[in-house]
Amino acid sequence: SAVISQKPSRDICQRGTSLTIQCQVDSQVTMMFWYRQQPGQSLTLIATANQGSEATYESGFVIDKFPISRPNLTFSTLTVSNMSPEDSSIYLCSASRGQGVYEQYFGPGTRLTVT
Amino acid sequence: DAKTTQPTSMDCAEGRAANLPCNHSTISGNEYVYWYRQIHSQGPQYIIHGLKNNETNEMASLIITEDRKSSTLILPHATLRDTAVYYCIVRVGYGGSQGNLIFGKGTKLSVKP
Repeated sequence: SAVISQKPSRDICQRGTSLTIQCQVDSQVTMMFWYRQQPGQSLTLIATANQGSEATYESGFVIDKFPISRPNLTFSTLTVSNMSPEDSSIYLCSASRGQGVYEQYFGPGTRLTVT
Repeated sequence: DAKTTQPTSMDCAEGRAANLPCNHSTISGNEYVYWYRQIHSQGPQYIIHGLKNNETNEMASLIITEDRKSSTLILPHATLRDTAVYYCIVRVGYGGSQGNLIFGKGTKLSVKP
C-alpha cells in the first residue's frame, strides 16, 4: 500500500486568492491524480498529474484555474487559482503504482472554504 | 453516462452480512469491477476488485454474475465502522484515460446496533 498525506488539511480563503495544496506519497508511484468532492457529492476527477510533463485535465477543468505540478515520483501540488465560493470543496490526492488494474490510494483530503 | 447503478441507501444490522448490489449491464470484456468505500470525512478506501471470478479478501467478498452484468459486495459481519458510502466502479484493466477511476453516487450503508 501507499500512505498519502496532504497539506493543508483545511483552509478558509478569501475570494480572488489562490491556494496550493501539497500531496506527498511515502513511496514512489507511477500515477497521481487530483479529485474534487463538492459538499454532499461524489468525487470528480480533475486531472492526472504526469511526472515531468503537463497534467492531463478532464473535461470542465483547465490549467489556468487548477495548475498542477509533479516534480518527482512522490510529490504533487494542486493550485486553486482566483478562488470563488463555488470552489469550496474537498480536494483529494490519489496515487497508484501503475496504470490499469493497480489499486488507487487516496489521501485524507483538503477541506477548502472560500468566503 | 454512469456505467453502474447502485441503490441510494441501505441499512444493515450490526453483526449481519451486508449485501450491496451493483448493476453494470453494459460492462465490456476488458472491464473490471472495483469497489471502494468512503467513511465520513476520509478519503476513499480500496476494498476489492474482480474481472469474472468471485474474489475474497480480508475485508469482503465480491460475487460477479456469470454474464457479468451485475455484482454483489458482501461484508460478512458488518460493524458500526462499516458505515460508509460504497462505490461500485467499472474500469478497463489497462492505462490511459479509460483506466481512470470515475465515481458515481454510490450506496450509503448504515450499520445499526
